[in-house]
Amino acid sequence: DIQLTQSPSFLSASVGDRVTITCRASQGISNSLAWYQQKSGKAPKLLIFAASTLQSGVPSRFSGSGSGTEFTLTISSLQPEDFATYFCQELNNYPLTFGGGTKVEIK
Amino acid sequence: EVQLVESGGGLVQPGGSLRLSCAVSGFSCSNYWMHWVRQAPGKGLVWVARIQADGSRTDYADSVKGRFTISKDNAKNTLYLQMSSLRADDTAVYYCAREAAVPGTVFDYWGQGTQVTVSS
Repeated sequence: DIQLTQSPSFLSASVGDRVTITCRASQGISNSLAWYQQKSGKAPKLLIFAASTLQSGVPSRFSGSGSGTEFTLTISSLQPEDFATYFCQELNNYPLTFGGGTKVEIK
Repeated sequence: EVQLVESGGGLVQPGGSLRLSCAVSGFSCSNYWMHWVRQAPGKGLVWVARIQADGSRTDYADSVKGRFTISKDNAKNTLYLQMSSLRADDTAVYYCAREAAVPGTVFDYWGQGTQVTVSS
């Protein structure tokens, strides 16, 4: 099974900050990675797939990059509604795996 | 508008059974692979099972293989997860999710989740 390791697991940031979250895969997965946002008590929401393709309706302050084993999710200017937990997910190998999550909290 | 609504969760004793349902609207589940994903309290997301659009193929996580069965009724536009021999570590919120029509398994729509608690 492919392991996905997210870092950091927790970060504290202020509105307007640039935030970067990293997801490392235990083996190369090309660009087969998605990012989701989950708010407390809610279902996950798809943000990005194929490492860098923004899902329709997602604000352009979210961006993704990377290939192979290292990927990043960047929020260019953190907004109040962005405080949530973010998960990465590998797309092609079963069983599908998710990263452990990064919780973004208000500083 | 695409909607997925889960139901059927609850409290069950170890060794018991439960059937979850996921009623979909706004699209036909006969055209999409459908999945179940679970999340234990305070933990991350774990993929559980999937079923092909026409229902001809199913796959399971090792942790539930032989105990859980995914199925769907395309006429009712409803996905199911039959769970048996339940254990405490099956306690989680269970989400149904639609696989997007893009390369790879990407979940573009999710239900709100249904809580399953396995405890005596």
